[in-house]
Formats: sequence, C-alpha cells, structure tokens
Amino acid sequence: DAMVIQNPRYQVTQFGKPVTLSCSQTLNHNVMYWYQQKSSQAPKLLFHYYDKDFNNEADTPDNFQSRRPNTSFCFLDIRSPGLGDAAMYLCATSPDDSYEQYFGPGTRLTVT
Amino acid sequence: QKEVEQDPGPLSVPEGAIVSLNCTYSNSAFQYFMWYRQYSRKGPELLMYTYSSGNKEDGRFTAQVDKSSKYISLFIRDSQPSDSATYLCAMTSSGGSYIPTFGRGTSLIVHP
Repeated sequence: DAMVIQNPRYQVTQFGKPVTLSCSQTLNHNVMYWYQQKSSQAPKLLFHYYDKDFNNEADTPDNFQSRRPNTSFCFLDIRSPGLGDAAMYLCATSPDDSYEQYFGPGTRLTVT
Repeated sequence: QKEVEQDPGPLSVPEGAIVSLNCTYSNSAFQYFMWYRQYSRKGPELLMYTYSSGNKEDGRFTAQVDKSSKYISLFIRDSQPSDSATYLCAMTSSGGSYIPTFGRGTSLIVHP
C-alpha cells in the first residue's frame, strides 16, 4: 500500500541534544510538509517543499531545519531541542495543485 | 481572532446519536473545505472535502458549507464507538498555494 512512513514513532532526547526525524513516502507526491502539533492545537506548518523548492514558514524557529535529498525522503532536524519543542511532528505529502494531504502516523518527541 | 475557530470539546454522545461538528472562519477567500479524522497518537486522515458552498454526503457522514455565514459542519449519523477521535476542519483558497489552515480539532467520544 502506498503510504507515508515516519521514523521513529517515539523519540526521547535530552535538552539541547540534536535530533533528526525522518519521513519517507511511496506515493510519489511532489509536495511534502512538516507540521508540529501540540496537544489540542491545530497542526502548525513548519516547512514545505514543492519538489526541491524549500519553503520556510516565517515563524518557524531557526532551531528547526529540513532536508529533502530526493522525492521520497524528507528530514526534520532540531538543532538544540528545548522543553517547548516537545510535540507530535507530522509529515504530510500532496500531489501538485491539490488540497488533499496524506499524513504519516507522526513522531512523538519528548524532551527531558 | 483566529482564521479558523473550532470548539475543542470534548463532545460526548451515546452510540447511535447524530453528531454535529462545526467550524467558523474569517477568510472569505477559502474555497476548499476539508474534514480530517485523527485517532489518538495517529496522523490525520482526510475524511471528506467540499468545494465552495453546499452539501456532500458519504455514507453516515455529511459535510455542509455555508459561505455566507462562514460556517461549516460535519454531521455523523448513527455514531459508533469507532468514530471516537478528534475531527479537524481545514480550509484553503483556490489558485496558488493549496496549503490548508487547520482548526484545532474537536474531540468526539461515542460511548456504548
């Protein structure tokens, strides 16, 4: 089945210790997104890619970076996680010019 | 005022009840209206979408858009315990970027 896969599903990191979350897709979609979702809040868009064109949301902290080495993979790097970065991180994909988004299961990040 | 307002609930109903979930919005440019269902510790999945005003029915689910009032609804008939989840509304304008604006979600609990 075509899908969006996120690894790991659960990640525990220490305050200030860099962490990388990964996302892969078999849907061959051109557009990929990274969202941060905190409890009972709307998903907050961090980054998105149209193919290799990177788009950074204006209010995404500098602490967050992203890489998309090819169509199938995308990574979210948090350089120095703070306690406020504990959240669910969602990866999503979309065909070109489409409102539909296909989400992965998410990575729940805990910062100790 | 947020662009999309959604009551977080929780909304608790008995099995078999008709459920009404709602969102209001402020941006008159929104044309595509989506409902996502998110089970606990999972990513959102697209449930239904509607373009512009009107109703759309899919099995036990009906999506309704009233652009004049900037108000959208999702009705669930004959609700089941398996419908227990968080329901997020999302909306986007046509043309250009299709990146949606999400509501914070309404938590629904259907008890047997």
